[in-house]
Amino acid sequence: GENVEQHPSTLSVQEGDSAVIKCTYSDSASNYFPWYKQELGKRPQLIIDIRSNVGEKKDQRIAVTLNKTAKHFSLHITETQPEDSAVYFCALASGYALNFGKGTSLLVTP
Amino acid sequence: DAGVIQSPRHEVTEMGQEVTLRCKPISGHNSLFWYRQTMMRGLELLIYFNNNVPIDDSGMPEDRFSAKMPNASFSTLKIQPSEPRDSAVYFCASSLGTGGENEQYFGPGTRLTVT
Repeated sequence: GENVEQHPSTLSVQEGDSAVIKCTYSDSASNYFPWYKQELGKRPQLIIDIRSNVGEKKDQRIAVTLNKTAKHFSLHITETQPEDSAVYFCALASGYALNFGKGTSLLVTP
Repeated sequence: DAGVIQSPRHEVTEMGQEVTLRCKPISGHNSLFWYRQTMMRGLELLIYFNNNVPIDDSGMPEDRFSAKMPNASFSTLKIQPSEPRDSAVYFCASSLGTGGENEQYFGPGTRLTVT
């Protein structure tokens, strides 16, 4: 399937700081880009998504930006809180399936 | 709706034994996915069903793995014989629609340990 590169693999921030996770891809036909959050021992859950006709989408403290020309999209979390600590996966739709990045382990320290 | 249901939640078995994982998708969803999650390989799609029909099983590691969906509310993933390298968390997910652009809802997963 479509390769998705996700960086960084780990990220540690202090409470209140911002966190940014970036994913790059190569298939220009991709047009749906979701982000999933997985807390320790739990299932992945969709937190935000963006479609190719939109450059940015925001939902409270989280936002996603998409640059189709450069083929990358990013997750931004502002005013981070300890409960934001989790693994975050980017993904993109390739046909009927989702191809996931390898994940970013985010740690927010009080 | 209770969401996607998987059983068992944990399975410990010895190498060579048969393992059967079960999934009940969200009612009304017509797409079902089986994923395997490991630290090394992340989330890998094993097989995709649409309207109970297997559409793509190219992610199934080898012939030891098989999956069925006898009806819209039940699917199984079977490993026979199991090997230690099969140890992973297996997730089932379902979605409404046939494209990858539909939100996938994941079950709680089955943590499989093969000794």
